[in-house]
Amino acid sequence: KAGVTQTPRYLIKTRGQQVTLSCSPISGHRSVSWYQQTPGQGLQFLFEYFSETQRNKGNFPGRFSGRQFSNSRSEMNVSTLELGDSALYLCASSLLGQGTDTQYFGPGTRLTVL
Amino acid sequence: GENVEQHPSTLSVQEGDSAVIKCTYSDSASNYFPWYKQELGKGPQLIIDIRSNVGEKKDQRIAVTLNKTAKHFSLHITETQPEDSAVYFCAASYNTDKLIFGTGTRLQVFP
Repeated sequence: KAGVTQTPRYLIKTRGQQVTLSCSPISGHRSVSWYQQTPGQGLQFLFEYFSETQRNKGNFPGRFSGRQFSNSRSEMNVSTLELGDSALYLCASSLLGQGTDTQYFGPGTRLTVL
Repeated sequence: GENVEQHPSTLSVQEGDSAVIKCTYSDSASNYFPWYKQELGKGPQLIIDIRSNVGEKKDQRIAVTLNKTAKHFSLHITETQPEDSAVYFCAASYNTDKLIFGTGTRLQVFP
């Protein structure tokens, strides 16, 4: 079974631009969560989607948003990029979410904001 | 707010020795405690997890213990090998997929 895939793997943007990252969960998984990983703040939860609905949200500004499609694929968007948004963005999927089963992580998208 | 503290931040051991990483969580309602291993250029990979109704779980050379009263949980790796070298993260959650992660431990196993 294929794992979680994320595209693109690397991205370079400039301040003020916006970016969209994509995540394809493991086949059959319906819950998708997004995390930001930085050397200073570590791994921080952004949001979780299940059945196209945001079920949980972390403490990030409104510039960070996401959505989930009917096939469980998910995208996250960051608008008006700031230098501090440079990070590894990780997507994780699980069967049903709600802490009932294992979350499997993708390889991440490395975003660099110049 | 929710918080998970992890120690030590770096750990160096000789091949064959044991390694222990400790975490403390703040939310007493937390009921799921996974451990992830992250290698360079890769996403975190689950290595073992434990739920709050269990005190200890073992999988070959890896074991996790949980003390709910003290809100501590620990990862034990025995007979370490060079391929165990990586960054290890503990995490905690309560009935959601929102994982609160510790700050990570960089484990180096020297041959």
